[in-house]
Amino acid sequence: AQRVTQPEKLLSVFKGAPVELKCNYSYSGSPELFWYVQYSRQRLQLLLRHISRESIKGFTADLNKGETSFHLKKPFAQEEDSAMYYCALSELGDMRFGAGTRLTVKP
Amino acid sequence: KAGVTQTPRYLIKTRGQQVTLSCSPISGHRSVSWYQQTPGQGLQFLFEYFSETQRNKGNFPGRFSGRQFSNSRSEMNVSTLELGDSALYLCASSFDGADQPQHFGDGTRLSIL
Repeated sequence: AQRVTQPEKLLSVFKGAPVELKCNYSYSGSPELFWYVQYSRQRLQLLLRHISRESIKGFTADLNKGETSFHLKKPFAQEEDSAMYYCALSELGDMRFGAGTRLTVKP
Repeated sequence: KAGVTQTPRYLIKTRGQQVTLSCSPISGHRSVSWYQQTPGQGLQFLFEYFSETQRNKGNFPGRFSGRQFSNSRSEMNVSTLELGDSALYLCASSFDGADQPQHFGDGTRLSIL
């Protein structure tokens, strides 16, 4: 069965520091992987997807099939990055979310 | 264009009752997915509808059902409500499926007394 694990419930960094939110998955096929973000009082929204290989708001995520990981990274965190981040895996429309990591960026 | 709209925003029911939640997707989106979000279990996939057909289903009992209309609007029904059904129910739409970027609504907060 598919499974998505975000090992950190809470993550706190200082402004300007690098940040990495971890995501590991268990799935034997070729999954579609996403990072969704929910800012305070806003809807859950897509941050990025692995197939796009793009950088959004300075965030990047690399799919490592060998380690079955899809960690989210940003070299210099900003206070506005404080939010709840969810890693998600989709297989033909069956979507699985991780438990989420709450990132706090301190001034 | 307008985002995903869920109604009602809040609902209070008692055990044993049934409830119907509604979701209007973004215009042009044909896929609608439903999720249950609770503090203990997080975000859990309920089912996905595409062109009026249920295409995927999560691991929920048969008390949870849904349907999709020809205009892509979707409803979710929960029968014989239990205390554990108290949750935020989120709807998300995408053009073609949950393996594409999904747009979420604000959710319906269901409380069971």
